Amino acid sequence: DTAVSQTPKYLVTQMGNDKSIKCEQNLGHDTMYWYKQDSKKFLKIMFSYNNKELIINETVPNRFSPKSPDKAHLNLHINSLELGDSAVYFCASSQVLRNTIYFGEGSWLTVV
Amino acid sequence: ILNVEQSPQSLHVQEGDSTNFTCSFPSSNFYALHWYRWETAKSPEALFVMTLNGDEKKKGRISATLNTKEGYSYLYIKGSQPEDSATYLCAYLGGSSNTGKLIFGQGTTLQVKP
Repeated sequence: DTAVSQTPKYLVTQMGNDKSIKCEQNLGHDTMYWYKQDSKKFLKIMFSYNNKELIINETVPNRFSPKSPDKAHLNLHINSLELGDSAVYFCASSQVLRNTIYFGEGSWLTVV
Repeated sequence: ILNVEQSPQSLHVQEGDSTNFTCSFPSSNFYALHWYRWETAKSPEALFVMTLNGDEKKKGRISATLNTKEGYSYLYIKGSQPEDSATYLCAYLGGSSNTGKLIFGQGTTLQVKP
């Protein structure tokens, strides 16, 4: 079983649409994250949840809204998609804050 | 602004060569330095988490050292094999934050030719 799984893996959608990327971890970890790989290939943190509580909320447009229904899930909802939102989004988890991070395989979002 | 820099950006070596690359990070408020290995079309996988100045960690043919006073870490690969081809990422975790916010470098992409 994949430890951190995210769906969909590939998503092509039109500008203005609303879409969600789902993430689940079966590691029993307390902390989950969303990272974005930017155009220069850097991995940059967007959000972090610890025990369903929002811990990190970087300077991300409020069109991006994370939702954590329980410790094992952290979904990313994006409203009114823009061309610049095209990127690879990685979900991740760790046992506690600061520990080794386990990444999902990424979701390739293309906005056309 | 906290910067994490890795050099070189890319590296091509022959099978059997040993190689090393560098990660530079802020030397103040240090908490931990992570190394990850990222193969194409896969997810980044953790190699090491280093916290103490002078730390040395080893995993098979890969090892890493840490100097927190001067803000650098080296990753060494002994006798490179084609399967070592990947991007190697380092990430800095500051001690002033209790949020677990890792700051990643851009990575060093290693290509090992058979």
